[in-house]
Amino acid sequence: GEDVEQSLFLSVREGDSSVINCTYTDSSSTYLYWYKQEPGAGLQLLTYIFSNMDMKQDQRLTVLLNKKDKHLSLRIADTQTGDSAIYFCALWGGGYQKVTFGTGTKLQVIP
Amino acid sequence: DGGITQSPKYLFRKEGQNVTLSCEQNLNHDAMYWYRQDPGQGLRLIYYSQIVNDFQKGDIAEGYSVSREKKESFPLTVTSAQKNPTAFYLCASSKTRATNSPLHFGNGTRLTVT
Repeated sequence: GEDVEQSLFLSVREGDSSVINCTYTDSSSTYLYWYKQEPGAGLQLLTYIFSNMDMKQDQRLTVLLNKKDKHLSLRIADTQTGDSAIYFCALWGGGYQKVTFGTGTKLQVIP
Repeated sequence: DGGITQSPKYLFRKEGQNVTLSCEQNLNHDAMYWYRQDPGQGLRLIYYSQIVNDFQKGDIAEGYSVSREKKESFPLTVTSAQKNPTAFYLCASSKTRATNSPLHFGNGTRLTVT
């Protein structure tokens, strides 16, 4: 099946930018999503990008897609303590016709 | 406000007992899903349903059962056959199962089996 990899942990200082990375194996994925999970809660959809786009910006969030390298990233500008959470990338479609989630990256924001 | 309600938030059971987790949505979504989350492993799909009275196994269906008698409800039963049932369970729904229909999640049920 599809493999979706993320680094497990990222620590940044408040006010800095955070970049969370995701690599995947199925190049035919059509929609790529970013979700945020706060402790003890479900996943909240943050943003998504369609596979024919290279970049999408939504306020403090910037999503970059490099299809050649099968690499997706989420940049959070001016990171705040409220951004501390686990971030999941998720890919829809391609040969598997289902959503595959990455392992999640825990973002710690240091005041 | 529309959303997905999972209950209870915490559930404790003895080994060998079946337990049913509730999931209700008022988003008028056709598709519903159950995921299991374990630390460091992301989310794994247990079962999904695209329409009432129909459901399919996901990647880790063994030891679980579901029903979809109403559009709004998709309960998950964790049976005594599930070898390692302690986990965080997430229910989700989407308008359809099309690629541009993102998943919406409930707040999860944490099941502990001793």
